[in-house]
Parts: sequence; C-alpha cells; structure tokens
Amino acid sequence: GQSLEQPSEVTAVEGAIVQINCTYQTSGFYGLSWYQQHDGGAPTFLSYNALDGLEETGRFSSFLSRSDSYGYLLLQELQMKDSASYFCAVKSSYKLIFGSGTRLLVRP
Amino acid sequence: EAGVAQSPRYKIIEKRQSVAFWCNPISGHATLYWYQQILGQGPKLLIQFQNNGVVDDSQLPKDRFSAERLKGVDSTLKIQPAKLEDSAVYLCASSLGLAGGNQETQYFGPGTRLLVL
Repeated sequence: GQSLEQPSEVTAVEGAIVQINCTYQTSGFYGLSWYQQHDGGAPTFLSYNALDGLEETGRFSSFLSRSDSYGYLLLQELQMKDSASYFCAVKSSYKLIFGSGTRLLVRP
Repeated sequence: EAGVAQSPRYKIIEKRQSVAFWCNPISGHATLYWYQQILGQGPKLLIQFQNNGVVDDSQLPKDRFSAERLKGVDSTLKIQPAKLEDSAVYLCASSLGLAGGNQETQYFGPGTRLLVL
C-alpha cells in the first residue's frame, strides 16, 4: 500500500525556524512535493525533491532522503502569514498522493 | 496568465439530489485532475485526464460519480445521487505536460465547497 505520515499540528513563534517531517511508504517513487494551503484557499506548490539532499527557495527549504523514505520542509524566519496547512505529496508514477497535512500555527 | 477556474464556489443540496461542478484549466495544460478534500484531510485524487483521455479513475466511486473532459479543455464532475459523506471541497487542478515521469507542478483552482444535508 501507500501511506504518508506527517504531524497533525505544529506551533512556533514568529521569527523562529520550524521543521515539518514526512515519512512515506509507496511504490514507484519519483519524488516528494510540498504544498501550502491557507484556510479556505487552494493548495499552492512550494517545492519538489527528486534526488537526495536539500533544495532551498527563499525562506523555505526541503530535504529528501530516498533511502530513509523521509523528507522535511524547513521554514525559516517565520511570519504570521505562514500559518497554514502544509502537505507532503509523493509523486508515484503519474499521480500525486497527498498526506493528511500539518497545521502550522505561528504565534506573535 | 489566468488560473484554474471553478464554479460554483459553494453548493448546498439534500441527499439523493444531483450536483455538477465545472472546471476550466489553465490554457494549454494537458493534464487535469479532480480531487476530493474532506475537512482536515489531504486532497484525494478522484480522476485524472490527459487531454480528453482518462489516465486514472481508480478512486472515483463510479456508481455515483462521473466526469468528462470534452475536447480536452473544460471538465465537469457530477454526483448523482449525493450522499452525506460527499460533503467536501472538490478541487480541480491542471498541469502543463503529460502525466508520468518528472515533476509537474499542479495548479489548483479555488474549489467548490459542497454540503449535503
């Protein structure tokens, strides 16, 4: 079967760093994506890792270890607007399989 | 560039009624997806089209759900008859290239919030 595990909720302070982990079990793995979704909004693409290592895009970084079936999203210099749900999604063959999401709450 | 358009944005129906959702993907995008997102969960793929052909509909409850993408552009998703457990947000997404292989960023529409009473 296919499954993804990520924490349901994370709370952090404005300006801090937070890491959201994702472990997966799937067949036909191509890569790991991260999407952000604000309440009532549409998911928006943040990053994609096909190879092991760290990818950095501004304040956000994403990491993948294929051997450990593990990845994480790192958010630095947290801002209030980063309060949202974050989904990891496995690219398996031709489709994306989403995790259940991590709700991030950024406190002042 | 215009994003993915969906309508209606909200719909309230009674169980056993029928409902239809419409999606207009980003111009030129070959692949179109319909997802169901139940509150507190991640999006679940219902059906994936490449142009006007179905790539995957393994999680589409075919006894009540149907979808089509005529002429490889717009798409409609229909539920008939609706059940209480169909209450969810129905998201449409599109991506530029052909399905499979490398990463293809999916662009999501604002979704249709369905409440079945």
